[in-house]
Amino acid sequence: GQQVMQIPQYQHVQEGEDFTTYCNSSTTLSNIQWYKQRPGGHPVFLIQLVKSGEVKKQKRLTFQFGEAKKNSSLHITATQTTDVGTYFCAGDFGNEKLTFGTGTRLTIIP
Amino acid sequence: SAVISQKPSRDICQRGTSLTIQCQVDSQVTMMFWYRQQPGQSLTLIATANQGSEATYESGFVIDKFPISRPNLTFSTLTVSNMSPEDSSIYLCSVPVPRTGGSTNNEQFFGPGTRLTVL
Repeated sequence: GQQVMQIPQYQHVQEGEDFTTYCNSSTTLSNIQWYKQRPGGHPVFLIQLVKSGEVKKQKRLTFQFGEAKKNSSLHITATQTTDVGTYFCAGDFGNEKLTFGTGTRLTIIP
Repeated sequence: SAVISQKPSRDICQRGTSLTIQCQVDSQVTMMFWYRQQPGQSLTLIATANQGSEATYESGFVIDKFPISRPNLTFSTLTVSNMSPEDSSIYLCSVPVPRTGGSTNNEQFFGPGTRLTVL
């Protein structure tokens, strides 16, 4: 079946350090979306990538979509305590349903 | 964007009973999705609820266990039937909101979730 894997599962960083999570799909994606879930909260949409090789930035966050549209990454520069949460990628295989990745839980050491 | 509410926000239920979760959206949407998120895990799609037709269930989920209603374009219910402790999860509904310009690449907005504990 269609699977979306993420690494790492957990990441602990010192405040101010950078953070990256990687997402890999078993098959080519129509688009990929990223969501953030704060502890006790629900997933909140961050961004959607559609084009091969696409790069998008939101302040300290940089999102990339691979050339083959099978992998993606989220990079946060100079993490802050507000970045705490679990980051999920979610792949759309062309049927408008999302397959969520396994998630990366980010904790920040002040 | 969309504003989504869910009821109840949480519940503690006894084994063998059923719970119906409601999802209300502030705008009309064609599709609504129901997800399950077990403790510390990712989100798993249960089914897609389409107005005017039967829900479409994902592998591993069946209508007898998770009956879904979709009476109109702003409302849906998910029932967790004959509950066991393994059903303890957060249940979330979501809706895709079309981008301006008619693009079919839809981001999803999630409700706040229903935290279910089965004893």
